[in-house]
Amino acid sequence: AQKITQTQPGMFVQEKEAVTLDCTYDTSDQSYGLFWYKQPSSGEMIFLIYQGSYDEQNATEGRYSLNFQKARKSANLVISASQLGDSAMYFCAMRELNAGNNRKLIWGLGTSLAVNP
Amino acid sequence: NAGVTQTPKFQVLKTGQSMTLQCAQDMNHEYMSWYRQDPGMGLRLIHYSVGAGITDQGEVPNGYNVSRSTTEDFPLRLLSAAPSQTSVYFCASKRGGITDTQYFGPGTRLTVL
Repeated sequence: AQKITQTQPGMFVQEKEAVTLDCTYDTSDQSYGLFWYKQPSSGEMIFLIYQGSYDEQNATEGRYSLNFQKARKSANLVISASQLGDSAMYFCAMRELNAGNNRKLIWGLGTSLAVNP
Repeated sequence: NAGVTQTPKFQVLKTGQSMTLQCAQDMNHEYMSWYRQDPGMGLRLIHYSVGAGITDQGEVPNGYNVSRSTTEDFPLRLLSAAPSQTSVYFCASKRGGITDTQYFGPGTRLTVL
């Protein structure tokens, strides 16, 4: 069965340092997409970055990059030069791409990141 | 372009009351969905719709109804609220492509006493 595991309930990082948030996934499909979302204390869900299973390059979006290791089934989010505004919950999610256009996202339980000044 | 909007932001109900959570998007997205978010359980899909007139159940549909009469609107109805429905509810939409990103509304925090 499809599953997303985020093993770090909480993380601390010093401002301006880089931090890696772990995400491992389980799927039997060859085609899938991986997403990271940020949820600040205000509650909204903000899309950060997407990685397709067939993408050869690791996805990057500004200070966010995805360390995609397909053989290990991991899709860790790397935030470089952390800022105070990065303090939030971070969710990893997966969608299997062969199962039809309406296939739901499978979500991890999230990692709470606190950036210290 | 307001994106995905949800009303109300906060609501308190008594057990047995009914109410409708409103969701609208102005991006002409085909796909819309409702999630609930509970501590320790992540986001769980309640219902979703792949277009006007088409809805289907997600993981936790019991106690909720939806309809999709227009592309823009996707209301979620609680027919008889229960304390177990205390949660934060998110509406989301996406264009319809498999790799498309979902855009979320700001959420509705519902408490059922």
